[in-house]
Amino acid sequence: SQQGEEDPQALSIQEGENATMNCSYKTSINNLQWYRQNSGRGLVHLILIRSNEREKHSGRLRVTLDTSKKSSSLLITASRAADTASYFCATDAQGGSEKLVFGKGTKLTVNP
Amino acid sequence: GAVVSQHPSRVICKSGTSVKIECRSLDFQATTMFWYRQFPKKSLMLMATSNEGSKATYEQGVEKDKFLINHASLTLSTLTVTSAHPEDSSFYICSATVREQFFGPGTRLTVL
Repeated sequence: SQQGEEDPQALSIQEGENATMNCSYKTSINNLQWYRQNSGRGLVHLILIRSNEREKHSGRLRVTLDTSKKSSSLLITASRAADTASYFCATDAQGGSEKLVFGKGTKLTVNP
Repeated sequence: GAVVSQHPSRVICKSGTSVKIECRSLDFQATTMFWYRQFPKKSLMLMATSNEGSKATYEQGVEKDKFLINHASLTLSTLTVTSAHPEDSSFYICSATVREQFFGPGTRLTVL
């Protein structure tokens, strides 16, 4: 299994602060993706980073990928109460498989 | 973006009954759909890969006779939980792929 591990499992911050979540995985990948899930809802795709990329930005999101350490981080800058959700990383396996393996997730709470 | 729907969004049933959950890709055709299960405060676990016109491929530990998957068309896959028991209570999420995975909003199953 190459299930990713997010840390921290839970993170509570104040509005305006930055939130950093980390993800580690076990095997070689093509891509790593980050998803957001509001309580009891489906997944929203946030960002995809390819194995040959080291950093990617999208709005207030910044994702890094270190394939040598098999780890990724998601940074949300200037957090808002609406960012409160669970965040998951997901990896696909090399070899063309479309399967995704999800990490355990980080529950982020942004306090107003 | 591509839209995936699930029906029903919530279902409560008695132990021993069967429940069917539908997953539809609304504005695209998906040759592959995936079914995931998510326990409270946990990550998504892949149950099976559903390919149009062929038998589903189940992940290790998932009972194929318990969780029947039918992928009758390029826009519809169904998951039937047969003879449901309280331990089958969970959040079931499907996804459909066209270059990337698009997730449905999930179905909350409660078995009494």
